[in-house]
Amino acid sequence: EVQLVQSGAEVRKPGESLKISCKGSGYSFTAYWIGWVRQMPGKGLEWMGFIFPGDSETRYSPSFQGQVTISADKSISTAFLHLKSLKASDTAIYYCASAALEEFLQHWGQGTLVTVSS
Amino acid sequence: QSALTQPASVSGSLGQSITISCSGTSSDVGGYNFVSWYQQHPGKAPKLLTFDVTNRPSGVSTRFSGSKSGNTASLTISGLKADDEADYYCSSYTSDRTLVFGGGTRLTVL
Repeated sequence: EVQLVQSGAEVRKPGESLKISCKGSGYSFTAYWIGWVRQMPGKGLEWMGFIFPGDSETRYSPSFQGQVTISADKSISTAFLHLKSLKASDTAIYYCASAALEEFLQHWGQGTLVTVSS
Repeated sequence: QSALTQPASVSGSLGQSITISCSGTSSDVGGYNFVSWYQQHPGKAPKLLTFDVTNRPSGVSTRFSGSKSGNTASLTISGLKADDEADYYCSSYTSDRTLVFGGGTRLTVL
């Protein structure tokens, strides 16, 4: 069974940075794309970017390019989302999701709530 | 890269069918057969319903079906059940080799 388990809820102050994780199991981690999706409170889904852990190919939404960094550590089957210079508007649930093809997101993590507040 | 356009809300009665539209451009929906649909219940992670316009993952009910014409994709839910009440999002692969979501549609089952 494919499972994605994300790190727990986080609280940070404005200006700080944060790295959240997404550990995959039950499939070949290096053969599946992992995407990150933001959902701000009461709002819709926003695609942030992708990584293919097999060769670390990474793509970003223009809306998030330069604001976040996506990485992966194949040795521990874990992908990361690095959020830089946090603002209150970064308060959201962040989901990771994987799929064998880059055209959709099949298996989803449980989400990580990030709260940015002074 | 603009979000795909979905109606904010739709409603239907138990047992009826409804269709949710998803409009894009020739750079996304119209240019590729790579439209997918997701269901999200409150407080839960999204769930993939259809991919590559018409395909369903194993375990997804045949009551959910996808289609596409030109730059507009659609999700049809037949035989509405109470548990279908949720938010629905479309997504498309784009010419930039990225994905884009629609704004989401709230389905109310009457």
